[in-house]
Formats: sequence, C-alpha cells, structure tokens
Amino acid sequence: SYELTQPPSVSVSPGQTARITCSGDALPKKYAYWYQQKSGQAPVLAIYEDTKRPSGIPERFSGSSSGTMATLTISGAQVEDEADYYCYSTDSSDNMLWVFGGGTKLTVL
Amino acid sequence: QVHLVQSGAEVKEPGASVRVSCKASGYTFSNHWMHWVRQAPGQGLDWLGMISPNGGLRSYSQNFQGRVTMTRDTSTSTVYMELSSLRSEDTAIYYCARDPGDTSGYFPDYWGQGTLVTVSS
Repeated sequence: SYELTQPPSVSVSPGQTARITCSGDALPKKYAYWYQQKSGQAPVLAIYEDTKRPSGIPERFSGSSSGTMATLTISGAQVEDEADYYCYSTDSSDNMLWVFGGGTKLTVL
Repeated sequence: QVHLVQSGAEVKEPGASVRVSCKASGYTFSNHWMHWVRQAPGQGLDWLGMISPNGGLRSYSQNFQGRVTMTRDTSTSTVYMELSSLRSEDTAIYYCARDPGDTSGYFPDYWGQGTLVTVSS
C-alpha cells in the first residue's frame, strides 16, 4: 500500500523558519494536503492542493511541492505553532484511496 | 457554521462491533462526501474511508476492507461508521470529517470532536 514518509520531529526556535517534508512516489502527479493537530484536539486543515491556505490559517503557513516531496513551511514559527503535522495524499488513479503520513512533531522553543 | 457532533464514548469486548454516529449541521448535508479517520493512543492519523453524498458510493482503506461499513441517513443528516470483529488494536479516537466537495481531490476540511472507542475484555 502507498506510504507517505515524514520526519518524526522538527525543532526550531521562535521566529525561525520550520520546514516539514513529506515524501511519496505519487506526489509528482497528486496533490498534498497538510493538517495541524494540537494536543488533545481534532486536526485542522492547514494547506490543501499543495499550496492553498484555508481561511483562518495564518499567512506564515505555506506549502510547496517538487518531484516526490511536498513541504510545509512555517515562516517565523510561533510557540503556538507547536503541534503534530500530517501530510495526506493519494496514489490511486480515481482518487478514491487516501493515506496520511506518519506525522511530524514540531517543537518551537 | 459547519458542525459535526459525534456519539459518545464506547467500551466493547474483543470480537464485538461498534457503531459511531456523526450528526451534521450548518451546510447542505446531501452535497458532501464524509470521511472517517481514526487515531490510536499516541499514534498518527489513519484514514478509514469515505462515503458519497447519497451513500451510493463508498471507498474503504484496504486496511479495513471487510470490517468497516459506512452509511448515511439524509433524513437526519447523520453518517454512521460500523467496525466489526473488534480487537484491542482498534482502541482509538474515531473522527468523522466533511469533504469540501468542490475540488479535484477528496480531503477532510471540517472535523467532528472524535469518539473514543475502547476495546477491552
């Protein structure tokens, strides 16, 4: 079955840029999506279709994709951005089967 | 605003089945797919599958094929997820999540509060 690979953890100081990667063989042809999950809460959509930001998500969050890697970038990370981040995508031609990456714990301190 | 309210926590014995409900409001229920995602304690997110707006199409993760059934009742704006042959590894928080429905892919945008299912003898 399809797998999306993320680093288990990323750590930055407040104000620095955090980059979280997601690797998958189908990403050159399929969109990546990103979810933020803070402790004890339901996930929140942070980025969709590689680069689009839903309303309510701060401008410091951005997404990009190149080849088999998608990247979530948080420019000027804040303490409140500390959370688990998950990428999500598909490799099925009919877009009917989807998977999450294993998740990345972002620490901002 | 979009609101997804799930049923309460469940405790089940191994081998039993569980049904979790998700009542939607704040949008046109019959226009949107619904996803189900679970999260075992201390673990990541796991996509179970999704059901089409009229319930006629379902797509299940191969990891749960044969054990999961998703249904929906348009009259009450409620979606259901039933998981059978429960084992301890199925202990998790189960989330329903709406699909926005106007894009090229299928992905959750709004999420329910989650339902804890505990499988224990």
